[in-house]
Amino acid sequence: DAGVIQSPRHEVTEMGQEVTLRCKPISGHNSLFWYRQTMMRGLELLIYFNNNVPIDDSGMPEDRFSAKMPNASFSTLKIQPSEPRDSAVYFCASSLGAGWGATISRPQHFGDGTRLSIL
Amino acid sequence: KNQVEQSPQSLIILEGKNCTLQCNYTVSPFSNLRWYKQDTGRGPVSLTIMTFSENTKSNGRYTATLDADTKQSSLHITASQLSDSASYICVVIAGGSQGNLIFGKGTKLSVKP
Repeated sequence: DAGVIQSPRHEVTEMGQEVTLRCKPISGHNSLFWYRQTMMRGLELLIYFNNNVPIDDSGMPEDRFSAKMPNASFSTLKIQPSEPRDSAVYFCASSLGAGWGATISRPQHFGDGTRLSIL
Repeated sequence: KNQVEQSPQSLIILEGKNCTLQCNYTVSPFSNLRWYKQDTGRGPVSLTIMTFSENTKSNGRYTATLDADTKQSSLHITASQLSDSASYICVVIAGGSQGNLIFGKGTKLSVKP
């Protein structure tokens, strides 16, 4: 079975450029999560979608970050303009669960992440 | 403030030995607690999910315990293998508002031959 697929695996770009990270969740999963991981802060939840609808985006650091889920099989995380402090590994995860109560009882399946470096 | 503290930060053991990783949390209200294994350069993989009423849950050579009274969890690895070398992350999901996941910073385990 295909797991969660993220692209690109690595991205190096200059400060001020727009960055778009992509995620394809596991087929049939209806919850999708975007995370950021750094050495200093560990894993942080950025945004959570359920049935393609953003439910909680309180973790999105600032207006430069935006996420969309136009359909059940695709999501994007965009940073515009990018800054050096955005450098991190960004993970996407998906799980079964219609609604938060069902979602939290099930395991999340993570992609292998996008390593983002902003110069 | 909701927090998850893991100890030790790093650990080196010999292949075949057992080890125990600790997770203390101050999350309220509590919903469930998860342990993840993260290999270098890969995404985390779920090992166990424990609810308030569960004291022990096993997944092969991994056994997680939960003491909801003292707000402590441990992950015990039996007969370690080289492939157990990874970071182990404890995550507590708070009840109430959606999306409230609190992550520990992980324990980096190295298993040496």
